[in-house]
Amino acid sequence: GDSVTQMEGPVTLSEEAFLTINCTYTATGYPSLFWYVQYPGEGLQLLLKATKADDKGSNKGFEATYRKETTSFHLEKGSVQVSDSAVYFCALSDLGTGGFKTIFGAGTRLFVKA
Amino acid sequence: DVKVTQSSRYLVKRTGEKVFLECVQDMDHENMFWYRQDPGLGLRLIYFSYDVKMKEKGDIPEGYSVSREKKERFSLILESASTNQTSMYLCASSFSVTSSNQPQHFGDGTRLSIL
Repeated sequence: GDSVTQMEGPVTLSEEAFLTINCTYTATGYPSLFWYVQYPGEGLQLLLKATKADDKGSNKGFEATYRKETTSFHLEKGSVQVSDSAVYFCALSDLGTGGFKTIFGAGTRLFVKA
Repeated sequence: DVKVTQSSRYLVKRTGEKVFLECVQDMDHENMFWYRQDPGLGLRLIYFSYDVKMKEKGDIPEGYSVSREKKERFSLILESASTNQTSMYLCASSFSVTSSNQPQHFGDGTRLSIL
């Protein structure tokens, strides 16, 4: 079945460091891919998405490129801030019985130190 | 902006009680979802609904039921609460099941403790 694997955390960085959070997936169809972010005490919110191969999603300085050949959707940011401290979830949406189903990775916690 | 509202942020109940978690969305979305979130396990789908009075089991439906009498409201019911149902519960909604590129919109979660 479909699955999403993302790097285990926590990831601890200093402010202005470069961030990469790895995400790979397996899917039988042609899924859409998402990154969600969860700030402390809140639900998840969409950070960015890509709907087909080679698409790049971007938002708030974060980027991720849909790589079909490596089945990856790694999240990157050139210079993190303390306010980026959160849990990041990679997810895919693919066709299953009853319609499209979303599968989430386990989440990666990011701590950014001032 | 889409607003998904969960009725309680924190809830404490006793073993054996019947527990209701309520969720309301204000954007006329077709689909609604209930997840539980546990450390190291990510989000696990309990139930979802793609229309009024319709429901589908997710990955971990045992011990739970749901109700969707109106399009905007999706209730999760713990028939007889047990300590292993202590968790964070997240409700979400999305526009349509006919397109894979529709994101889900989440509420802020209900942290449920069963004593």
